[in-house]
Amino acid sequence: AQSVTQLDSQVPVFEEAPVELRCNYSSSVSVYLFWYVQYPNQGLQLLLKYLSGSTLVKGINGFEAEFNKSQTSFHLRKPSVHISDTAEYFCAVSTSYNTDKLIFGTGTRLQVFP
Amino acid sequence: SAVISQKPSRDICQRGTSLTIQCQVDSQVTMMFWYRQQPGQSLTLIATANQGSEATYESGFVIDKFPISRPNLTFSTLTVSNMSPEDSSIYLCSVDPPTGASLEAFFGQGTRLTVV
Repeated sequence: AQSVTQLDSQVPVFEEAPVELRCNYSSSVSVYLFWYVQYPNQGLQLLLKYLSGSTLVKGINGFEAEFNKSQTSFHLRKPSVHISDTAEYFCAVSTSYNTDKLIFGTGTRLQVFP
Repeated sequence: SAVISQKPSRDICQRGTSLTIQCQVDSQVTMMFWYRQQPGQSLTLIATANQGSEATYESGFVIDKFPISRPNLTFSTLTVSNMSPEDSSIYLCSVDPPTGASLEAFFGQGTRLTVV
């Protein structure tokens, strides 16, 4: 079975500072990895995904993530955050055997302060 | 991409009653998914709905409590039956894109349910 761990439930950061949101996964088979963002009172929106190929993945809104197979991690980074990045961020995993089933982490609330 | 509309966006219901949530997609999709997001927690898959067949439920979820309909390729409903305060959650509808190749899921805005 697959599982996803987001180590930080909340990450406070000042505007224009860099941020890293951590995600680790557990799986005995190959995985596909995703980061979703949920703005207040909205549904989830895909930020980026890793399916194969380059381990450094760039997404929307200046976010990027790096797939590290040896450390089973898929941390999300942004070099300079904005107030508008305040939201809940979810890491998720699926597998090649069951691409439709997404397993989500518990989420990290990013709070950006002016 | 796919645009998903969920209704209602929020509701406050009395315990013991039922609420039906609608999910409308702007394109035909094979599979539709229903998730629950309990307060302060992550998303948990309730069931997968294919058109023309019964929904497939995840462990811990049963059809009697969460009946699902999927009458066509653009629409599905989830009913939360005999509600209790523990059912207070955000319920989200999700679909895979029509091409299926990108493995990206699209989500509705969710239905915020409060049971009193």
